[in-house]
Amino acid sequence: EAGVVQSPRYKIIEKKQPVAFWCNPISGHNTLYWYLQNLGQGPELLIRYENEEAVDDSQLPKDRFSAERLKGVDSTLKIQPAELGDSAVYLCASSLAPGDTQYFGPGTRLTVL
Amino acid sequence: QKEVEQNSGPLSVPEGAIASLNCTYSDRGSQSFFWYRQYSGKSPELIMFIYSNGDKEDGRFTAQLNKASQYVSLLIRDSQPSDSATYLCAVGNSGYALNFGKGTSLLVTP
Repeated sequence: EAGVVQSPRYKIIEKKQPVAFWCNPISGHNTLYWYLQNLGQGPELLIRYENEEAVDDSQLPKDRFSAERLKGVDSTLKIQPAELGDSAVYLCASSLAPGDTQYFGPGTRLTVL
Repeated sequence: QKEVEQNSGPLSVPEGAIASLNCTYSDRGSQSFFWYRQYSGKSPELIMFIYSNGDKEDGRFTAQLNKASQYVSLLIRDSQPSDSATYLCAVGNSGYALNFGKGTSLLVTP
């Protein structure tokens, strides 16, 4: 069974530029999560989807971050414009249902110059 | 703020010894508890989960949960150099979000 797929794996951009990350969850997993992980810290939840509905986005900085999950499968996380402090690893995870074990993708390492 | 606390380490143990990793949490309503292993530059990988008080064993790994004291631990028996990684404790509540600790760095020396 294929795991969570993310792309790109690495991204380097200049500040004020837009950037987008893509995630394909494990087949059949209805719940999808986007996390942000800074160096030396644990992952922090940005947004959680149940199918195509964003049910927990309280930690998403909505002035510059947006996310979508069309058709309840793939998801895209966007930052516009990016700031220096956005440099981090962006992790996508999925689970069968809310509260079930979450499985992580390889992450996208973003560097903002 | 619902917090999950872990000693950042590094915890150094000799090969073949038992490594003991500890985690405390502040939210008494927490219902699920997970241990993830994260190698440098890689994403978190699930090792174990535990929901009920007591011990849960899986191979060389044993998770222990004490809800009254609000702590969860992970024991690694017969530690191997390949176990050297950061171990993340994650706690789930009724809102289904996972709160992660900062992780404990484990170094197993040959």
